[in-house]
Amino acid sequence: EADIYQTPRYLVIGTGKKITLECSQTMGHDKMYWYQQDPGMELHLIHYSYGVNSTEKGDLSSESTVSRIRTEHFPLTLESARPSHTSQYLCASSESGGLSAKNIQYFGAGTRLSVL
Amino acid sequence: QKEVEQNSGPLSVPEGAIASLNCTYSDRVSQSFFWYRQYSGKSPELIMSIYSNGDKEDGRFTAQLNKASQYVSLLIRDSQPSDSATYLCAGGTSYGKLTFGQGTILTVHP
Repeated sequence: EADIYQTPRYLVIGTGKKITLECSQTMGHDKMYWYQQDPGMELHLIHYSYGVNSTEKGDLSSESTVSRIRTEHFPLTLESARPSHTSQYLCASSESGGLSAKNIQYFGAGTRLSVL
Repeated sequence: QKEVEQNSGPLSVPEGAIASLNCTYSDRVSQSFFWYRQYSGKSPELIMSIYSNGDKEDGRFTAQLNKASQYVSLLIRDSQPSDSATYLCAGGTSYGKLTFGQGTILTVHP
């Protein structure tokens, strides 16, 4: 079983607030990812990291930012939340390595964000 | 062409039947493939991975990879109502990222 944790699980906030979604993993994985998923829709990669001090934007443009100061921690921040940010945010991690089982991504339980 | 494309759903099968889920991929996706199951409101969980041409079996699940046709499938034998979920096909890239298909909704009715 994967040990990757996301908090909070649910968040309802007002427009303009700054929020940080937390993601931590205890598996020592180098690679971490943030996905955004609307109900019934595809997973979209918005950020990823290959290790400490490494962050990259994903395939879907996002107004959020991320940081990777410690291997186990990959928080996502929205400086000023808007209703268009309402979605589910999923964090995942995988081992570093090539084309094999090390590519398997393990997901956290997700944060469901509602911006009013 | 999308990098990973799943056959259109939703798919409905009776309990005990075989459910067949299909996925095609483009040249930009490398040779590692994964099937995830996602229950409504939950996060994806890995059910199968496959890296070599051919079949791979795990309990009631069989993954099939055909590199020549750029095709990967998942068969679920003796389908149960608890198998009702969205199934996501994903292909790995050389940088460790996964590209997900749009998902196929499976309903197993009693």
